[in-house]
Amino acid sequence: GENVEQHPSTLSVQEGDSAVIKCTYSDSASNYFPWYKQELGKRPQLIIDIRSNVGEKKDQRIAVTLNKTAKHFSLHITETQPEDSAVYFCAASEGSNDYKLSFGAGTTVTVRA
Amino acid sequence: NAGVTQTPKFQVLKTGQSMTLQCAQDMNHEYMSWYRQDPGMGLRLIHYSVGAGITDQGEVPNGYNVSRSTTEDFPLRLLSAAPSQTSVYFCASSYVRPSTGELFFGEGSRLTVL
Repeated sequence: GENVEQHPSTLSVQEGDSAVIKCTYSDSASNYFPWYKQELGKRPQLIIDIRSNVGEKKDQRIAVTLNKTAKHFSLHITETQPEDSAVYFCAASEGSNDYKLSFGAGTTVTVRA
Repeated sequence: NAGVTQTPKFQVLKTGQSMTLQCAQDMNHEYMSWYRQDPGMGLRLIHYSVGAGITDQGEVPNGYNVSRSTTEDFPLRLLSAAPSQTSVYFCASSYVRPSTGELFFGEGSRLTVL
């Protein structure tokens, strides 16, 4: 099955600075890579996703990049704001089973005012 | 639409007791799944279903049973609870397979097994 590793586990940034979270995956046939944000005590929610035929995708202050050769993808948050404080999870689909998503362990992001 | 609804939100069990976590969605999603969330381990897939009458195992299925008799409901059963099953459980659904579209999560059910 797919193995997704996520780093760092915690990240503290000054408001206005950028935050970068990196994930690696093991299944070279994986083709879908979503990112979910979970605020304290809330449910995870999709914030951005990328497919294997695209190298980069942006949505306002967030962007995701994918390097298929190296099997890693990253989430970039620019101009961080207090509301960006949350746990972020990366995920990857299994190449042999489209019905399975494997999640990373999560990154707790804290934005300092 | 209510989205994905889970009950109960909190539950305390003694070792060996059984219980069912309920999950219902009103979005006519074919795909439904159960995840558990533990500190430092992310979200791990327990069981999933691609439609009524069809279920399959995920990454950590042992100790859990599921069934899918209707499109709307996907209950998770713990037959004999163990302390290792203390966790936060999330039900999630999607209209299409999760490799092509967003997973919609419920609010979670926090289970403590003593």
